[in-house]
Amino acid sequence: DIVMTQSPLSLPVNPGEPASISCRSSQSLLHSNGYTYLDWYLQKTGQSPQIVISLGFNRASGVPDRFSGSGSGTDFTLKISRVEAEDVGVYYCMQALQIPITFGQGTRLEIK
Amino acid sequence: EVQLVESGGDLVKPGGSLRLSCAASGFIFSNAWMSWVRQAPGKGPEWVGRIKSKSDGGTTDYGAPVKGRFSISRDDSKNALYLQMNSLKSEDTAVYYCSTVIGKPRGYWGQGTLVTVSS
Repeated sequence: DIVMTQSPLSLPVNPGEPASISCRSSQSLLHSNGYTYLDWYLQKTGQSPQIVISLGFNRASGVPDRFSGSGSGTDFTLKISRVEAEDVGVYYCMQALQIPITFGQGTRLEIK
Repeated sequence: EVQLVESGGDLVKPGGSLRLSCAASGFIFSNAWMSWVRQAPGKGPEWVGRIKSKSDGGTTDYGAPVKGRFSISRDDSKNALYLQMNSLKSEDTAVYYCSTVIGKPRGYWGQGTLVTVSS
C-alpha cells in the first residue's frame, strides 16, 4: 500500500498569514498517462470532506485562488496564500494512483 | 448539481448485516466509478472499496479490512450504489460515505450515514 505522510499535524496560523502543508507518498504518484494522482481535501467540522485540489495542482470548482497545489513524484505541498477564518478544518492528502486508495493522517489548521 | 445521498445506517450487533444505499444525481451515473469511504469517530477517512462502470468491466476492489465481508453493487437504472456489509465488527463503526474519489466527476462525497456496531 502507498503510505501518505503529512506534516505538520497541527497548524495554528494568524489570519492573513500564509500556510503550507506537506504531503509525502511512499512511492511516486505519477501515472504513465502523465497525470499525478494526488488530491487535497478539507473537512470542516461536522461536514463531509470537500475537494480543494485535484491531480496535484488543479483547483476544484469554487475554491478560492489563495489555494494552490504543487509538487511532483513523492513530495507535494498545499499552500494558502492568506488564511481566512473559513479555511479552518482538517486537510487530507489522498493518493488515487493505486488501490487501495490511501489518505494522509490529516493536518488540523486553526486560527490563532 | 452533483448530489450523493446515503441511507441505511443503523445500530447493529456484532456479527450482523446491513445494507447501505446511495442515491446519485446530477451526473451520468452509469459512466462513473463509485467508491465507499468510511470514517471512524475522531479518525481520518478510510477507503472501503470501489466499483467500476459497467463499460469498464463493472469490477470491484476492496480494502483489506473489509475484503470477504463487504460487497459493492450498483443499479444504473436507478442511479443507485449499494454496500452490503456482513459479519460486522465493532471496528466497522463509522460514518460511511458514497464518493467519486476516483474518475469523473472527481471528488464528490455524500453527507454520510452512521453505522454503529455494538451489542
